[in-house]
Amino acid sequence: GAGVSQTPSNKVTEKGKYVELRCDPISGHTALYWYRQSLGQGPEFLIYFQGTGAADDSGLPNDRFFAVRPEGSVSTLKIQRTERGDSAVYLCASSLVFGDTQYFGPGTRLTVL
Amino acid sequence: QQQVKQSPQSLIVQKGGIPIINCAYENTAFDYFPWYQQFPGKGPALLIAIRPDVSEKKEGRFTISFNKSAKQFSLHIMDSQPGDSATYFCAASGPGGSYIPTFGRGTSLIVHP
Repeated sequence: GAGVSQTPSNKVTEKGKYVELRCDPISGHTALYWYRQSLGQGPEFLIYFQGTGAADDSGLPNDRFFAVRPEGSVSTLKIQRTERGDSAVYLCASSLVFGDTQYFGPGTRLTVL
Repeated sequence: QQQVKQSPQSLIVQKGGIPIINCAYENTAFDYFPWYQQFPGKGPALLIAIRPDVSEKKEGRFTISFNKSAKQFSLHIMDSQPGDSATYFCAASGPGGSYIPTFGRGTSLIVHP
């Protein structure tokens, strides 16, 4: 079926605002990953889910960042009190099981003014 | 701490040339080394991957060379085409660092017609 989709494709917000970024993984994929990609850098791991639970959130930079996957499919990355340094492309990936090939979505470009 | 170092940062070749991108890693527990290709506005896509039990892997025009003792691996693109123009990322993962890949900073490749 369809690949990983992410919405919105672009998000512009003001410093201090709250944002939500959505990821729809490939149907049937149990593992879902969030990465952040800054300009000129490779993707940097944030968090991954196995089913509904966050199995590893060691990459979240601070407690302003939070992610959920309540039904084991769609995931939402939530950023509170956004800062200009949060500006980046946020990538989502999914895999059939953890450790398997990851398929990336096109990303959400977040700009914090 | 940058666990995967990638060079060069950018590369320009003529059509038919053989661009070579190099990566070096530090964590000897890594045991899976994928290369990703990323076009503008898209997420990274797995191109080719290698495990340390072989020194070379070839898929079509793409070849990975792997030197376990030097902790280095490289991507060669044979008979490069303008459509190969993209950013290439090496990565490393494995039991020592979990199965979450650590990415290099990327190489921007331009292939002139």
